[in-house]
Amino acid sequence: GAVVSQHPSWVICKSGTSVKIECRSLDFQATTMFWYRQFPKQSLMLMATSNEGSKATYEQGVEKDKFLINHASLTLSTLTVTSAHPEDSSFYICSARAPRDHGEQFFGPGTRLTVL
Amino acid sequence: KNQVEQSPQSLIILEGKNCTLQCNYTVSPFSNLRWYKQDTGRGPVSLTIMTFSENTKSNGRYTATLDADTKQSSLHITASQLSDSASYICVVSGTDSWGKLQFGAGTQVVVTP
Repeated sequence: GAVVSQHPSWVICKSGTSVKIECRSLDFQATTMFWYRQFPKQSLMLMATSNEGSKATYEQGVEKDKFLINHASLTLSTLTVTSAHPEDSSFYICSARAPRDHGEQFFGPGTRLTVL
Repeated sequence: KNQVEQSPQSLIILEGKNCTLQCNYTVSPFSNLRWYKQDTGRGPVSLTIMTFSENTKSNGRYTATLDADTKQSSLHITASQLSDSASYICVVSGTDSWGKLQFGAGTQVVVTP
């Protein structure tokens, strides 16, 4: 089956620093990747849609200058949380859309970000 | 208003018992409906995916049904096990080219010994 990995699985950082999260599709090429944020006991909220070689499309209310997304290859997308603050602490999950299986999205294991 | 509503919000069942989770949606035009299982602190894992023409699909002890006319789906868990404790999320996809998914809030299932 399709496998999506994320790195790191968890990160703790100081307020004001930047954090980069990687999302990789391991056994398929994904022209489209998605970034989600999930707060405790809530469902996933789409932050942005990332297409390889083009600028990401951000959902309403998501600051594109704060959450930088780069999709430089068909297997890698990165999310950089710039100048992180405690309110950015959350569970960040990426997904990659497979070219088969009704374009099903396969989710990564998530990255737990804690900003002190 | 959320286009995907799930019920119940949470439930507790005894190991070995069956349970059924509900999902109602208003997403239109409809492409497909998926059920995911999400363990705490992990990403969602796909259980089933159904298109408009499919009424039921099974994956081991999980059986999903779909009534596209009434826009309702259910997920039935048979002979529950402790490892079934998780959040079950109903996700509906419309026919737009971006593949944007509409997520339900999830049903938190706790299986007790």
